[in-house]
Amino acid sequence: DGGITQSPKYLFRKEGQNVTLSCEQNLNHDAMYWYRQDPGQGLRLIYYSQIVNDFQKGDIAEGYSVSREKKESFPLTVTSAQKNPTAFYLCASSMGPSSGRVYEQYFGPGTRLTVT
Amino acid sequence: GEDVEQSLFLSVREGDSSVINCTYTDSSSTYLYWYKQEPGAGLQLLTYIFSNMDMKQDQRLTVLLNKKDKHLSLRIADTQTGDSAIYFCAERYSGGYNKLIFGAGTRLAVHP
Repeated sequence: DGGITQSPKYLFRKEGQNVTLSCEQNLNHDAMYWYRQDPGQGLRLIYYSQIVNDFQKGDIAEGYSVSREKKESFPLTVTSAQKNPTAFYLCASSMGPSSGRVYEQYFGPGTRLTVT
Repeated sequence: GEDVEQSLFLSVREGDSSVINCTYTDSSSTYLYWYKQEPGAGLQLLTYIFSNMDMKQDQRLTVLLNKKDKHLSLRIADTQTGDSAIYFCAERYSGGYNKLIFGAGTRLAVHP
């Protein structure tokens, strides 16, 4: 089955620690995205990558970092510099702009991060 | 800047139709989407509409687009308890890359 996996589903960390959230897709999609979701708010874009070895900051990139060494994988690191890291994090992927497709984004199941 | 607004809550009786409304600001948006999120889960793409269309129907779902008023709606016919979820409207950012601008989501509660 093709899809996007995120692990773990729940993650707990102490304040001051960096933590890395995993996102893997087997849809052969070129583009991948990280969003943050807070209660009562829409999704906000953290980082996106349109191709391997390239990524761009989204609207709320401060305190986060990413890498895109493989097409299938786009891990997100929440650093200690992120002032309010507790949130639900969603990874998504889509076909690239050159595909001429509708650009639907497909989402993983999410990781709920709690920092105390 | 780009913005998408939705009402936060809708309650309907099982079997009735639900209509979820959304307004957006980017008149250059080419695609508009509806996503569904069940508790503790990711977002599921329900349907989308291209900006040159007025209406799209897909089984129980009907999307209406009023481009002049920048208003999008999702109608769910014969609403069932399994339709209880948060529904997000999103527009595709016209600024060059595949960024989606999401509304805050409408929580749909279906009661017997």
